Amino acid sequence: SQQGEEDPQALSIQEGENATMNCSYKTSINNLQWYRQNSGRGLVHLILIRSNEREKHSGRLRVTLDTSKKSSSLLITASRAADTASYFCATVSYNTDKLIFGTGTRLQVFP
Amino acid sequence: DAEITQSPRHKITETGRQVTLACHQTWNHNNMFWYRQDLGHGLRLIHYSYGVQDTNKGEVSDGYSVSRSNTEDLPLTLESAASSQTSVYFCASSDRRNEQFFGPGTRLTVL
Repeated sequence: SQQGEEDPQALSIQEGENATMNCSYKTSINNLQWYRQNSGRGLVHLILIRSNEREKHSGRLRVTLDTSKKSSSLLITASRAADTASYFCATVSYNTDKLIFGTGTRLQVFP
Repeated sequence: DAEITQSPRHKITETGRQVTLACHQTWNHNNMFWYRQDLGHGLRLIHYSYGVQDTNKGEVSDGYSVSRSNTEDLPLTLESAASSQTSVYFCASSDRRNEQFFGPGTRLTVL
């Protein structure tokens, strides 16, 4: 069963706008990771945030984690057409190295 | 550069045939994973391995098997292919609970 549920399922924006995707999960975690998947390709790791961290930045990406609400958000600032992809959150629990994926958000950025 | 490769990239087979999908990584990672990706389900874990001679079932393991005889390879075998196993299959590797590195995927069609 899926650990993470993402919201929205699909998002369409114009270039230059910010895109926010949310992820909720069910059980305690060691860390939460975000991945991007371009159409027909494998997943690429974007960022990892540990359970004792609240916010993390990487370039135009900002990730927040609220363990009390069991939720995370991914913000992509000043989006580009090349950001068009599906984005997945995935969680790792304390007693395992497995990733449990959410169902993903499809982001479309129009030029 | 280290990488993870999958072969074949596309495969068409018939119901009842045995099929083996190859996965090879040069990251020297102990952890290796097999996922299937279907519309509406995200990525679901089939089997995983934490090291040589170690294999474990994931959430959708029925009809699949793996073996780990060395660090680099984790082949996935469909013992008797079924139409329900038509999917895109991804292999991944990782170092403990850190980011996973994904292969490009194998698109399998079972007729």
